[in-house]
Amino acid sequence: DGGITQSPKYLFRKEGQNVTLSCEQNLNHDAMYWYRQDPGQGLRLIYYSQIVNDFQKGDIAEGYSVSREKKESFPLTVTSAQKNPTAFYLCASSRWTGGSYQPQHFGDGTRLSIL
Amino acid sequence: AQSVTQLDSQVPVFEEAPVELRCNYSSSVSVYLFWYVQYPNQGLQLLLKYLSGSTLVKGINGFEAEFNKSQTSFHLRKPSVHISDTAEYFCAVSEWGNEKLTFGTGTRLTIIP
Repeated sequence: DGGITQSPKYLFRKEGQNVTLSCEQNLNHDAMYWYRQDPGQGLRLIYYSQIVNDFQKGDIAEGYSVSREKKESFPLTVTSAQKNPTAFYLCASSRWTGGSYQPQHFGDGTRLSIL
Repeated sequence: AQSVTQLDSQVPVFEEAPVELRCNYSSSVSVYLFWYVQYPNQGLQLLLKYLSGSTLVKGINGFEAEFNKSQTSFHLRKPSVHISDTAEYFCAVSEWGNEKLTFGTGTRLTIIP
């Protein structure tokens, strides 16, 4: 079955450490997204990418970085510059049909905590 | 800029009773509207979507929503809820020509046996 795989499910970060969250999709979707979810705040967009080797900042990109070297993969790095990284991180993807909107599909998330 | 307001952060409902979860949006252009459901420690699953056409949209698990352009609302309804409907529900909006989604803060639906 096609879908989005996020790993690991739980991740712990030490002070001053960078950590990378994995997101892989086998849906042949063009666009991929990263969201951060905090209690009572809904989902906020961190970065998104419509094509390989290109990505754009979302609403809360500071302290995060991404790459899109392959269509299937969109890893997110939480850097030491992100002072409050504890959150639930969700990856999503969608098919781009040249103007016709297609809904986003979500992975099961990674929960990041500070040690 | 687009925005979404979910008026109720928590909604308790007795099993087999009807429920309505409220969603209002703000945008200066035409929009697409969505409802997603999230079960504990999981990602989001699409319940239903409004892209164009009929304003009454039917989704999975017996849910439906009605797009009301004059009131800028997209309320979610179910005539009879089940214990398995306990989850958090998110309303989301996207402006035409813009693939970015803006989410509301969510409504936690609790079903009382």
